Amino acid sequence: GAVVSQHPSRVICKSGTSVKIECRSLDFQATTMFWYRQFPKQSLMLMATSNEGSKATYEQGVEKDKFLINHASLTLSTLTVTSAHPEDSSFYICSAPLAGKYNEQFFGPGTRLTVL
Amino acid sequence: AQSVTQLDSQVPVFEEAPVELRCNYSSSVSVYLFWYVQYPNQGLQLLLKYLSGSTLVESINGFEAEFNKSQTSFHLRKPSVHISDTAEYFCAVSDRQGAQKLVFGQGTRLTINP
Repeated sequence: GAVVSQHPSRVICKSGTSVKIECRSLDFQATTMFWYRQFPKQSLMLMATSNEGSKATYEQGVEKDKFLINHASLTLSTLTVTSAHPEDSSFYICSAPLAGKYNEQFFGPGTRLTVL
Repeated sequence: AQSVTQLDSQVPVFEEAPVELRCNYSSSVSVYLFWYVQYPNQGLQLLLKYLSGSTLVESINGFEAEFNKSQTSFHLRKPSVHISDTAEYFCAVSDRQGAQKLVFGQGTRLTINP
């Protein structure tokens, strides 16, 4: 099956620094990728839709200047949390749909961000 | 807009017992329905989905779910659970006409006791 990877799997940073999270589709191309955020014992909340070659589409209430998304190629999307603060600590998960399997998305293993 | 409600945050059952995880949704448009499973320390995996056709869908590991349009439900069932089924289960919907965005329920933690 299709595989989506994320790097790093875990990151701890100081408040005020920026953190970049990568999401890669390993054996398929993805013109669209999705970024979710999951708080402890809560569900996944869609943050934004990453579009290859164009600007990301952010969900209501998500600060686009704080969560920068770049979809540089058909296999790579990055999420940069700028000037991170403790309240940004969360589990960040990306997903990518597989062409020809409409509405089946493949999820990355997630990145645990802890901001001190 | 869509919303999904999973009525039970935790469901403990004994091994080999039947289980039902409840999911109700709200939407003003037609939707696709999904169940995802998240095993400890792993990413989400698709368990089963309803796109069209038969309202009863099955997974390869014995789970099934039935789409009930009148009750706007998509409950997940398994007649006999195993220890290996211990995981977090998420119900999700997406707009049939939309850009494949998924709206998730709150999740149900299924714990299997020996």
